[in-house]
Amino acid sequence: GAGVSQTPSNKVTEKGKYVELRCDPISGHTALYWYRQSLGQGPEFLIYFQGTGAADDSGLPNDRFFAVRPEGSVSTLKIQRTERGDSAVYLCASSLGGGSGNTIYFGEGSWLTVV
Amino acid sequence: GQNIDQPTEMTATEGAIVQINCTYQTSGFNGLFWYQQHAGEAPTFLSYNVLDGLEEKGRFSSFLSRSKGYSYLLLKELQMKDSASYLCAVWGTGANNLFFGTGTRLTVIP
Repeated sequence: GAGVSQTPSNKVTEKGKYVELRCDPISGHTALYWYRQSLGQGPEFLIYFQGTGAADDSGLPNDRFFAVRPEGSVSTLKIQRTERGDSAVYLCASSLGGGSGNTIYFGEGSWLTVV
Repeated sequence: GQNIDQPTEMTATEGAIVQINCTYQTSGFNGLFWYQQHAGEAPTFLSYNVLDGLEEKGRFSSFLSRSKGYSYLLLKELQMKDSASYLCAVWGTGANNLFFGTGTRLTVIP
């Protein structure tokens, strides 16, 4: 597609539920990133994929968070047993190549609210 | 560790010039980026500096001094639509992600 596409744009869920957030990167971009942004803060890195593999998942806060990219294009971020502290905007981004120095392009984000 | 400092908020007048500063400490350096983010929207790419000096792109310019760990974003002929957050971000050497500051919220007033 023309840009990074994320669904859903908004999600309200109850504490303890499971959530999936989807990202479709820019066509041809091999690198995909998930970031999380809280109000008044900058984006915080979660995980980076190069192709199908998670090259760096050091930003995932705990084992309730998991992400996949099975065919090297679309990615899904999965959050188990959601907590109120997980409420944030989850931003997906992609870049043509992976690693340092590449310009990354963001999607509009998925706004997650845990009640 | 990594750290990026930028002012939390700034206010400027329509038609004026504003400079948003950013200082950084990172593990190596492989480029500094500025992004613009309107409320409720995605960050959009503005500029990239990897060498010292000034990069000009229309009303926006970005400056880098690697020896000082310092950058600024200069916005000229301010317009109301420039009211947004401006995010400074740095790639460290060999890093797998772009590291962001907390952003500067700019308000343009008539």
